[in-house]
Amino acid sequence: DAMVIQNPRYQVTQFGKPVTLSCSQTLNHNVMYWYQQKSSQAPKLLFHYYDKDFNNEADTPDNFQSRRPNTSFCFLDIRSPGLGDAAMYLCATSRDGAQETQYFGPGTRLLVL
Amino acid sequence: EDKVVQSPLSLVVHEGDTVTLNCSYEVTNFRSLLWYKQEKKAPTFLFMLTSSGIEKKSGRLSSILDKKELFSILNITATQTGDSAVYLCAVYSGNTPLVFGKGTRLSVIA
Repeated sequence: DAMVIQNPRYQVTQFGKPVTLSCSQTLNHNVMYWYQQKSSQAPKLLFHYYDKDFNNEADTPDNFQSRRPNTSFCFLDIRSPGLGDAAMYLCATSRDGAQETQYFGPGTRLLVL
Repeated sequence: EDKVVQSPLSLVVHEGDTVTLNCSYEVTNFRSLLWYKQEKKAPTFLFMLTSSGIEKKSGRLSSILDKKELFSILNITATQTGDSAVYLCAVYSGNTPLVFGKGTRLSVIA
């Protein structure tokens, strides 16, 4: 089945230790998104790629970076995780910028010790 | 600044009740409104609404949009415990991919 896959599902890291979360999709969608969702809050968009064009939200900290080496894969790098970065990280895709419906992966729950 | 407001923030009902969840929005260049259901994992897509007055229906769930009054409602009839979740409303304005509301947490008790 076509889907959005995120690995790992749970990630534990230490304060300040870089971590990379991955997302892959078999939907062949042009747009990929990374959201951060903290407990009882709405998902907060960090950035998105329209094909290879990177779009950063204005309030996304520099600590968060992203890479999209090809259509299928997108990575979220957190260079120096702080305790406040513990959250669920959601990857989503949409067919193109005019196709608003986003399909979400299962998420990666990040714990920072 | 684009804004999406959902109400109530939480709701507890008994099985079999009908519930109505509200979503109002203020966005420039409105394109569409989406409803998602989020249980313990990632949001799952329910509906996308672009036109006023046209009801979308899926089983016991239905939704309608009013572009003049800038709101949408999500109805769930004959609620079941499996309907317990956070229901997220999001609006696409063309300026930013999606603006989410804070969600309504629905708890259905037997």
